[in-house]
Amino acid sequence: QKEVEQDPGPLSVPEGAIVSLNCTYSNSAFQYFMWYRQYSRKGPELLMYTYSSGNKEDGRFTAQVDKSSKYISLFIRDSQPSDSATYLCAMMVTGFQKLVFGTGTRLLVSP
Amino acid sequence: EAGVAQSPRYKIIEKRQSVAFWCNPISGHATLYWYQQILGQGPKLLIQFQNNGVVDDSQLPKDRFSAERLKGVDSTLKIQPAKLEDSAVYLCASSRGPGGPNQPQHFGDGTRLSIL
Repeated sequence: QKEVEQDPGPLSVPEGAIVSLNCTYSNSAFQYFMWYRQYSRKGPELLMYTYSSGNKEDGRFTAQVDKSSKYISLFIRDSQPSDSATYLCAMMVTGFQKLVFGTGTRLLVSP
Repeated sequence: EAGVAQSPRYKIIEKRQSVAFWCNPISGHATLYWYQQILGQGPKLLIQFQNNGVVDDSQLPKDRFSAERLKGVDSTLKIQPAKLEDSAVYLCASSRGPGGPNQPQHFGDGTRLSIL
């Protein structure tokens, strides 16, 4: 079993839709949860991070963490074609900088 | 602020040949990482440097991969001899320090390696 599981997609939605991206994990020691966006032939860029459980909002993006279920989500409101990319979840144990990534979900937003 | 620079962008070699990748981190960033990203997978950490010392190389195939960070700035990653399964994108990242996400990792655009 992988430490972090993520549906690879692709996930296709029309412009303006609400998008839900999810990851599950098995290591209960993970405390930091991050979402990266990766455009084709580019490196990942950090979108958001949360510490432990709870919600965090930044513009059209909302990150949620449910540690009891070992489940994290990223919601994108009013999705735009420019949001088309691969979204990677990543997790870290407190005190260590080692990131463990999911496989990434490819998102396609059509105009 | 200039980003993480990597070269070359693309490399094609035959199996059993050797190859080297170069990374220049963001100025002032003490921590440097090399990741391997196989098509359809997330990045996997190969090695982490703090200044010019190795912090974590537990997932580096040491029989064929080597990396160095002389003077605590630029870094090179070498593969010798290359195998077909080494075909991947090699990403370099840097951060100010080895702390949590308050010192986020910034990634370069990677070197895409194809093994024939």
